[in-house]
Amino acid sequence: GAVVSQHPSWVICKSGTSVKIECRSLDFQATTMFWYRQFPKQSLMLMATSNEGSKATYEQGVEKDKFLINHASLTLSTLTVTSAHPEDSSFYICSARDRVSQGNEQFFGPGTRLTVL
Amino acid sequence: SQQGEEDPQALSIQEGENATMNCSYKTSINNLQWYRQNSGRGLVHLILIRSNEREKHSGRLRVTLDTSKKSSSLLITASRAADTASYFCATDEAGSARQLTFGSGTQLTVLP
Repeated sequence: GAVVSQHPSWVICKSGTSVKIECRSLDFQATTMFWYRQFPKQSLMLMATSNEGSKATYEQGVEKDKFLINHASLTLSTLTVTSAHPEDSSFYICSARDRVSQGNEQFFGPGTRLTVL
Repeated sequence: SQQGEEDPQALSIQEGENATMNCSYKTSINNLQWYRQNSGRGLVHLILIRSNEREKHSGRLRVTLDTSKKSSSLLITASRAADTASYFCATDEAGSARQLTFGSGTQLTVLP
């Protein structure tokens, strides 16, 4: 149980285009999902906290107009990188917390590698 | 979000040896978690230790937590080549929105 999927697993796009990444909790409901970004050989940096039915909370330095987050249901959150540029190339990882247990553990998706040409 | 420090940044050992990684953090926590990440892959949750616990075991893993020093260690015993990966500690900070703050990570290489 407690599986989180991400789609796509990798994407290559041209500079200036927008890319949408989906994060799904497959066998549990998640009121809260988190989006992280990881540059090569670095740690995960939290970008935003996504709550179902409300606006996402962004970390300092993360542009909310560039990284659009939608958490429309208890099993799906999406991250859209708008007008992507090469510096947005990174590994994007989501995680979700189980609504029922509200436990301390977050379940992580496998990540999406974005390459902007 | 602030990151904790992990040391060493990189560790190379022979198969069968033990590997110890350390993590320090800065704030009060609810719990501390350790994750493994193989190159280019997602995170695998290894173990969670609560703030009122001092030591926890899971298979070949042993985690300690010293809240007075704001530090934790992960010991992998009898390492295998398959243990080669990056290891991250992550803190669930007290009073936060329950997001995790990750340490800088330790790259472990186990040589066959």
